[in-house]
Amino acid sequence: NAGVTQTPKFRVLKTGQSMTLLCAQDMNHEYMYWYRQDPGMGLRLIHYSVGEGTTAKGEVPDGYNVSRLKKQNFLLGLESAAPSQTSVYFCASSYRETRETQYFGPGTRLLVL
Amino acid sequence: EDQVTQSPEALRLQEGESSSLNCSYTVSGLRGLFWYRQDPGKGPEFLFTLYSAGEEKEKERLKATLTKKESFLHITAPKPEDSATYLCAVQSRGSTLGRLYFGRGTQLTVWP
Repeated sequence: NAGVTQTPKFRVLKTGQSMTLLCAQDMNHEYMYWYRQDPGMGLRLIHYSVGEGTTAKGEVPDGYNVSRLKKQNFLLGLESAAPSQTSVYFCASSYRETRETQYFGPGTRLLVL
Repeated sequence: EDQVTQSPEALRLQEGESSSLNCSYTVSGLRGLFWYRQDPGKGPEFLFTLYSAGEEKEKERLKATLTKKESFLHITAPKPEDSATYLCAVQSRGSTLGRLYFGRGTQLTVWP
């Protein structure tokens, strides 16, 4: 039981390049989330999904897109990376949305030059 | 607007020196308050969930308590391996489905 895994662990992009971050969970959770963590700030929600085929915007969605084609996977895409998107990205999942613990992956460190 | 404030930002303790971390919150109806531990370069690791004022939970040297306005994470006789950043998050009745509001964390260093 691996829990929540994220790929890749680290990536360097040039401004304007695109990439996709992959999150996978093997706990059969319905809900999945993408957060970003920046120095001096709390984790902030980018997008989330309440089930296969559904996605919704969080607090800071601009510049990102997501897809949830399979229940166990949640993809975060950057179509045209900007230096402001340099951050550490965490994926999380939970069984339900209310009062349920969210379990986090190990993170993807992204540097945009 | 829902807010979470953690204090202090950083705390240095000698091994065995007990202390408390604070998480104060302002939410439109609390659904749950969550404590996580985060080691450098890793994802947050779940510690506790508290749902109502007066509730307490313990795990090894850690004890979390909850009032209507704040939560405390008490660390008794800490060891160097307790060094980490401790994150507090709340889920409110008025928030987007499942969304957690995180504080900025308290960086704890325990020296031998």
